Amino acid sequence: DAGVIQSPRHEVTEMGQEVTLRCKPISGHNSLFWYRQTMMRGLELLIYFNNNVPIDDSGMPEDRFSAKMPNASFSTLKIQPSEPRDSAVYFCASSVDLVYEQYFGPGTRLTVT
Amino acid sequence: AQTVTQSQPEMSVQEAETVTLSCTYDTSESDYYLFWYKQPPSRQMILVIRQEAYKQQNATENRFSVNFQKAAKSFSLKISDSQLGDAAMYFCAYRKFQGAQKLVFGQGTRLTINP
Repeated sequence: DAGVIQSPRHEVTEMGQEVTLRCKPISGHNSLFWYRQTMMRGLELLIYFNNNVPIDDSGMPEDRFSAKMPNASFSTLKIQPSEPRDSAVYFCASSVDLVYEQYFGPGTRLTVT
Repeated sequence: AQTVTQSQPEMSVQEAETVTLSCTYDTSESDYYLFWYKQPPSRQMILVIRQEAYKQQNATENRFSVNFQKAAKSFSLKISDSQLGDAAMYFCAYRKFQGAQKLVFGQGTRLTINP
């Protein structure tokens, strides 16, 4: 079975550029989560969706961050404009409904110079 | 707000020995879930074990078991017969039973296996 797929695996960009991270959840999963991992703050939830609808975006740090889930098999996390402090590993996770285990993708390592 | 604390930034163990990783948490909820995730150098977050707070029996998964002490709000992970492949960061995580479904993670414990 294919797990959660994230692309790209690595992204290096310059400050001010737009960055788009992509996620394909496990087929049949209807809940999707975006997490960010940094040395300073550890792992923290940014936003999650249930049945393609954003449920809680209170973890989104600023208006520069936006996330969409246009259909059950695809989600994006966009940062515009990017800043060096956005450098982190961004994980996507999915689950069957909100109450079951979350399965993580391999993450995208973002570096903003 | 719920918090999760892992007081051991690093631990090491000899191969084939047993090691216990500590985790404490703070919550006012009576029903919730607790998890241990493993993050090897590949960066992939892998679910190791899950415990439902309403279950008194400690969860086990092969060489991995937990000691869940609800009153003390403690949730430690025991790894028996440690193997080189167990080397990783281990994260303890909490999730409410109902309502907000985010995982709240501890800061992690880096486990080294000595051959």
